[in-house]
Amino acid sequence: EVQVVESGGGLVQPGGSLRLSCAASGFDFSTYWMTWVRQGPGRGLEWVANIRSDGYVEGYADSVRGRFTISRDNAKNALYLQMNNVRVEDTAMYYCVKGNSGYVHWGQGTWVTVSS
Amino acid sequence: DIVLTQAPDSLAVSLGERATINCKSSQSVLFSSDNYNYLAWYQQKPGQSPKLLISWASTRVSGVPDRFSGSGSGTDFTLTINNLQAEDVAVYYCQQYYSPPFTFGGGTKVEIK
Repeated sequence: EVQVVESGGGLVQPGGSLRLSCAASGFDFSTYWMTWVRQGPGRGLEWVANIRSDGYVEGYADSVRGRFTISRDNAKNALYLQMNNVRVEDTAMYYCVKGNSGYVHWGQGTWVTVSS
Repeated sequence: DIVLTQAPDSLAVSLGERATINCKSSQSVLFSSDNYNYLAWYQQKPGQSPKLLISWASTRVSGVPDRFSGSGSGTDFTLTINNLQAEDVAVYYCQQYYSPPFTFGGGTKVEIK
């Protein structure tokens, strides 16, 4: 069974940093693109970033480019999102998603609150 | 970036009736080399992660009831829910995966009248 489980969310002050993790299982992680999608409180879905299976190609939404970094460790079946210089508007549920086109498998999400 | 505009923002439909949701893209998501539309539809119920319903604009995912159908090409797309059931109450999103960033529409909330 395919599973992706996020962790690392919590409360962080504006300007601070946080690292989200996603543990993947049930599929050959090293052969799939992976993606982060977020959803602010009462808001719609926002695509955040993706990374190619080998880790050498990354893409970012304009709203996070230069502040967030997506990475992966194929040996550990793990996906990461390093969030730096966070803003209040980064407050959201962050979902780890398998794939790059038509997302079948989503995690349950990890909540990030940016507040002083 | 490609902007997806969904309409309406919300709609209320009687049980057993049809719900129609539109998604308009700011540019074509039809890839000429394979003739596929790089567009998906998702359903999100309260407190749950989104669920993929339709990919490639009109291909229903395995296990999705056949009352859900997707249509359209290029820049204009439609999700139709026939014979609306109580369990279909949710927010529905379109998403393009033609060109990064792979943007979502703003969502359409479907309720029972």
